[in-house]
Amino acid sequence: DAKTTQPNSMESNEEEPVHLPCNHSTISGTDYIHWYRQLPSQGPEYVIHGLTSNVNNRMASLAIAEDRKSSTLILHRATLRDAAVYYCILSPRSYNTDKLIFGTGTRLQVFP
Amino acid sequence: SAVISQKPSRDICQRGTSLTIQCQVDSQVTMMFWYRQQPGQSLTLIATANQGSEATYESGFVIDKFPISRPNLTFSTLTVSNMSPEDSSIYLCSVELGQGDTEAFFGQGTRLTVV
Repeated sequence: DAKTTQPNSMESNEEEPVHLPCNHSTISGTDYIHWYRQLPSQGPEYVIHGLTSNVNNRMASLAIAEDRKSSTLILHRATLRDAAVYYCILSPRSYNTDKLIFGTGTRLQVFP
Repeated sequence: SAVISQKPSRDICQRGTSLTIQCQVDSQVTMMFWYRQQPGQSLTLIATANQGSEATYESGFVIDKFPISRPNLTFSTLTVSNMSPEDSSIYLCSVELGQGDTEAFFGQGTRLTVV
């Protein structure tokens, strides 16, 4: 499984944008880039995923480098509820091999 | 989407005993997975629960310790056998709808403490 590298922790103030980086230099052509987050005392929840193009949804934006060796999850206006561990995961996302292998993630702290 | 119910939500067990954790999904799903999250750590995949056949275990996990059942497309169980304090963790069930490029859904987890 291709490996991802994320900073252990990041901090932000409320209502400021947050850019969470992820390096995945060994990504293969069939790997999707997924982001999940885990709020305290909860199971992980899906945030966003993409393959080559930048993606936007109601939660966040995903910016993918042109060579796909890195990506950035963007929270446009952090709220206290966004304090969580954010995981960047690569997965080939084929029908029979959809398992997700979690790395150590980035713990995001949001200050009022 | 999928809503996952895990039971029990937490338990305290004596060493040497076994605990069976249930995972019920509100819709039929193709893929079901079991994860372990040790205190302060990330999630580690234990196995893929296959409907109608034996589970597929990840390296470091064996069927004798973590037997898994998957009798149908909405239900699975994970048993933690002959428990020791090192088994104290959160155990999470996850499902995917089997549509390829889609998101995974996770249960709230079962917090197990072995004393």
